[in-house]
Amino acid sequence: EDKVVQSPLSLVVHEGDTVTLNCSYEVTNFRSLLWYKQEKKAPTFLFMLTSSGIEKKSGRLSSILDKKELFSILNITATQTGDSAVYLCAAYGQNFVFGPGTRLSVLP
Amino acid sequence: DGGITQSPKYLFRKEGQNVTLSCEQNLNHDAMYWYRQDPGQGLRLIYYSQIVNDFQKGDIAEGYSVSREKKESFPLTVTSAQKNPTAFYLCASSIYDKYEQYFGPGTRLTVT
Repeated sequence: EDKVVQSPLSLVVHEGDTVTLNCSYEVTNFRSLLWYKQEKKAPTFLFMLTSSGIEKKSGRLSSILDKKELFSILNITATQTGDSAVYLCAAYGQNFVFGPGTRLSVLP
Repeated sequence: DGGITQSPKYLFRKEGQNVTLSCEQNLNHDAMYWYRQDPGQGLRLIYYSQIVNDFQKGDIAEGYSVSREKKESFPLTVTSAQKNPTAFYLCASSIYDKYEQYFGPGTRLTVT
């Protein structure tokens, strides 16, 4: 059965800290790994990774995929209170499989 | 403005009643999806459609039905056969099935 596991499930940090969120997957016919940010309702797309070892960056956020070890990490540097959200990881194989999410709380 | 709309935002129903959740997109996307999200859990796929007049069951399709008569619309009916329908329902679309999905604002359904 396809599955995606995320860790930690919950994380509390202070503004300025750097965080690393983890996502591991077991998906048949894996094709891509996606990260989303969910603040209140609709998840918003952050990154899609298809190639191993190539880092994608957007401002303070970056992500990398390791297809050999079947995991991805999402890094957020110099965190701000606006980064507080649930971060979802999804693996695409035969269809999208989502992990449970990591709830990040950034305190001022 | 392009996007995905879902209505209503909140829906309350009595047990035993069928209810239909609306999802419309004007992004000209081929693929559309319905997910269910429960507290502390990830999104679980209910149904998806890659093309008009065609759809497939996801992981938790029992008690749900869909139609795809138009490219822009993918309504979800929660039937009385769904044992635990209270949840947050998210609709999404993508250009094609392997590309990133864009989500609507969701509908929170409460059945008592």
